[in-house]
Amino acid sequence: AQSVAQPEDQVNVAEGNPLTVKCTYSVSGNPYLFWYVQYPNRGLQFLLKYITGDNLVKGSYGFEAEFNKSQTSFHLKKPSALVSDSALYFCAVRDPFGNEKLTFGTGTRLTIIP
Amino acid sequence: GAGVSQSPSNKVTEKGKDVELRCDPISGHTALYWYRQSLGQGLEFLIYFQGNSAPDKSGLPSDRFSAERTGGSVSTLTIQRTQQEDSAVYLCASSSRGQSMNTEAFFGQGTRLTVV
Repeated sequence: AQSVAQPEDQVNVAEGNPLTVKCTYSVSGNPYLFWYVQYPNRGLQFLLKYITGDNLVKGSYGFEAEFNKSQTSFHLKKPSALVSDSALYFCAVRDPFGNEKLTFGTGTRLTIIP
Repeated sequence: GAGVSQSPSNKVTEKGKDVELRCDPISGHTALYWYRQSLGQGLEFLIYFQGNSAPDKSGLPSDRFSAERTGGSVSTLTIQRTQQEDSAVYLCASSSRGQSMNTEAFFGQGTRLTVV
């Protein structure tokens, strides 16, 4: 069965510093990978996805993520954190040629410290 | 509509009553998901519909929970004999088929259910 792990419940980063939110996955085939963000009292918003091609994908709000097949990882990154990046982040995986079900990680709360 | 629509946005019900939550997905999306989120915590998977296939009900927490999707479009999540622990935000999402390049899921704003 496919699964997603977000090993950190909470990540704190100083404003202006680079940030990384970790995600590893397990799926039998080639994965489709996603990051979503949830701001306080808001719904989930799509940030970026990896489908195929370049391992480094860029998304909204200056975020990017790198697909690493050998390490089965898809870490979310941003070169310089903003206070407004403080939110709950979810990684998700889908096997497009399996059951196609979208499976989410448990989420990581990112806090940017001014 | 342009996005996933959920109704009602808020629901307060008395313990023991039944409730129905509605989700109207994006037109043409074959996949529809229900999740539950408590107090800004993680997403708890409830049920997954994909086209005409049998739904994946593996996340439903008890037999008080059921869901249906009529005509491959609108879905209703029903909770019978509600309990206080059912209080949460219920989120619906839809997406196109897995092999599509435009395969990300889009979420509704959720229904906040409070059982008193």
